Amino acid sequence: QKEVEQDPGPLSVPEGAIVSLNCTYSNSAFQYFMWYRQYSRKGPELLMYTYSSGNKEDGRFTAQVDKSSKYISLFIRDSQPSDSATYLCAMSGNAGGTSYGKLTFGQGTILTVHP
Amino acid sequence: DVKVTQSSRYLVKRTGEKVFLECVQDMDHENMFWYRQDPGLGLRLIYFSYDVKMKEKGDIPEGYSVSREKKERFSLILESASTNQTSMYLCASSFTGGGRWQYFGPGTRLTVT
Repeated sequence: QKEVEQDPGPLSVPEGAIVSLNCTYSNSAFQYFMWYRQYSRKGPELLMYTYSSGNKEDGRFTAQVDKSSKYISLFIRDSQPSDSATYLCAMSGNAGGTSYGKLTFGQGTILTVHP
Repeated sequence: DVKVTQSSRYLVKRTGEKVFLECVQDMDHENMFWYRQDPGLGLRLIYFSYDVKMKEKGDIPEGYSVSREKKERFSLILESASTNQTSMYLCASSFTGGGRWQYFGPGTRLTVT
């Protein structure tokens, strides 16, 4: 079983739809949770960051972390064609020992928002 | 803005060649990472470095080596390139003790023929 599981999709939605992207994980030591967006032929860019449990909102994007269920989500409201990209979840535990901020990534979900 | 740059966007090499991929970051980050990204396999960590001249193996180090002589520069070396090393290579950097997020470069698409 992988430490982080993410539905690879692909996911195709009409413009204006609410999109829900999800990851589950097995390592209870994870404390830092991130979502990255990767456009075609580009490097991933940090989209959202959350420490421990709770919600975080940034414009049309909301990140949720439920540590009791080991489940994180990214919601995109009023989705736009420019949101079409691969979305990667990533997480990390405390930087003790030799972890040095290593991240464990999900496989990525390919999202297409069509006009 | 943090900037991570990679020496080439596209590279074509022949089997058996020695290949150097260079990465430079401009934010004085302690940690630097090399990943490869393949369809269906996601991002896989090859090597990382937490200080100058220090390195640790990641999940798939076989066939690769790294060098970090200066804090801002981290090189990935393919000693003898093989066709199964055709991939997208991504470099990233981060602070120690920060929020753990990593900043990525634009990637190098390497094709080994």
